[in-house]
Amino acid sequence: SQTIHQWPATLVQPVGSPLSLECTVEGTSNPNLYWYRQAAGRGLQLLFYSVGIGQISSEVPQNLSASRPQDRQFILSSKKLLLSDSGFYLCAWGAGAPHQETQYFGPGTRLLVL
Amino acid sequence: TQLLEQSPQFLSIQEGENLTVYCNSSSVFSSLQWYRQEPGEGPVLLVTVVTGGEVKKLKRLTFQFGDARKDSSLHITAAQPGDTGLYLCAGANQAGTALIFGKGTTLSVSS
Repeated sequence: SQTIHQWPATLVQPVGSPLSLECTVEGTSNPNLYWYRQAAGRGLQLLFYSVGIGQISSEVPQNLSASRPQDRQFILSSKKLLLSDSGFYLCAWGAGAPHQETQYFGPGTRLLVL
Repeated sequence: TQLLEQSPQFLSIQEGENLTVYCNSSSVFSSLQWYRQEPGEGPVLLVTVVTGGEVKKLKRLTFQFGDARKDSSLHITAAQPGDTGLYLCAGANQAGTALIFGKGTTLSVSS
């Protein structure tokens, strides 16, 4: 069966510090991978998605970036965090037409920028 | 921009009551998914509906996709405290370019 992991589970970082969140998927090959941010009362906002190694699409302009160095690894990064980057970050995978297939979510990372 | 409106935003009921939550849009979706999310965790898929008029049942949960594929409902019979959580609907737009999420319905079931 497929599983998706995210770490860390919780992170407190000062403004201006770098960020690296990791997501890995097991039990499937060539998945579509997604990064979302969830803010209270505002639903899920798609940040990035990837259909293959090295292929990243950005949905919103921001100071975050994403990379996919391996088939089942998706990384969310920032060089300098802003207060507004605080939130709950979710990674998801799917196995069909991008955005059309059922997506399965990881446990999330709670990021607090102070 | 396609939007999914979920209602009600908050719902607080007693154990044993029935409830329905709604997911509405003016746009057509090729499929629609329902998730339940507990605090501090990722959303967990409950069901995917793809055919207009489709009805799916998952124990005490009944999901319906509107005939025109613009809306969906989730009905829970005899709610239990374990049903507490945030219920999210998400629709795949027909262009295939995005999965649109509603803002969710927060359900609280007290015993």
